Amino acid sequence: EPEVTQTPSHQVTQMGQEVILRCVPISNHLYFYWYRQILGQKVEFLVSFYNNEISEKSEIFDDQFSVERPDGSNFTLKIRSTKLEDSAMYFCASSTTGYNEQFFGPGTRLTVL
Amino acid sequence: QKEVEQDPGPLSVPEGAIVSLNCTYSNSAFQYFMWYRQYSRKGPELLMYTYSSGNKEDGRFTAQVDKSSKYISLFIRDSQPSDSATYLCAMQKTSYDKVIFGPGTSLSVIP
Repeated sequence: EPEVTQTPSHQVTQMGQEVILRCVPISNHLYFYWYRQILGQKVEFLVSFYNNEISEKSEIFDDQFSVERPDGSNFTLKIRSTKLEDSAMYFCASSTTGYNEQFFGPGTRLTVL
Repeated sequence: QKEVEQDPGPLSVPEGAIVSLNCTYSNSAFQYFMWYRQYSRKGPELLMYTYSSGNKEDGRFTAQVDKSSKYISLFIRDSQPSDSATYLCAMQKTSYDKVIFGPGTSLSVIP
């Protein structure tokens, strides 16, 4: 069964460093999303991406965040200068047209020290 | 009022019991309703996806949506220890929209 994959599974970084989280969505999907979940809290929307541009972003998704689809298979989230409060699980999701369930990847756990 | 609310639990039931999980929401614009299951430090796994009011059944799982009351439910029949997880209700205004999640209900099924 096709699935969303994410790498790395765990990323540890120093405050102020740049990180890139990578996702490979399901191959025929056209809509891509990033969400995050701070430990013990609910899953929160960050950004949606369709047709090579951002469709919607939340207030969390400030100038420190960017997304890119560099080729036909990868979808990345970049955090330019990480803060302690960026520590969270980051989930990528994708969906196709029609009956539009979003399927989530296993997540990348980001720890900012 | 929070946009989506769930009783956080924890809910503990014996194996074989019928489990009822519930969620309320405040925004009448929501039209698509989902239940996800999340194991500890894993990604949400889609269990049920429904549009508007009504019931949907899939195996041991039944989802109910009552838009007039802004209330959705998930029933699990013949619960198993492997059902032990956090259950997230979620909803969207349109089928391409961001998903808004509830805080989740933690379920333990005791053998």
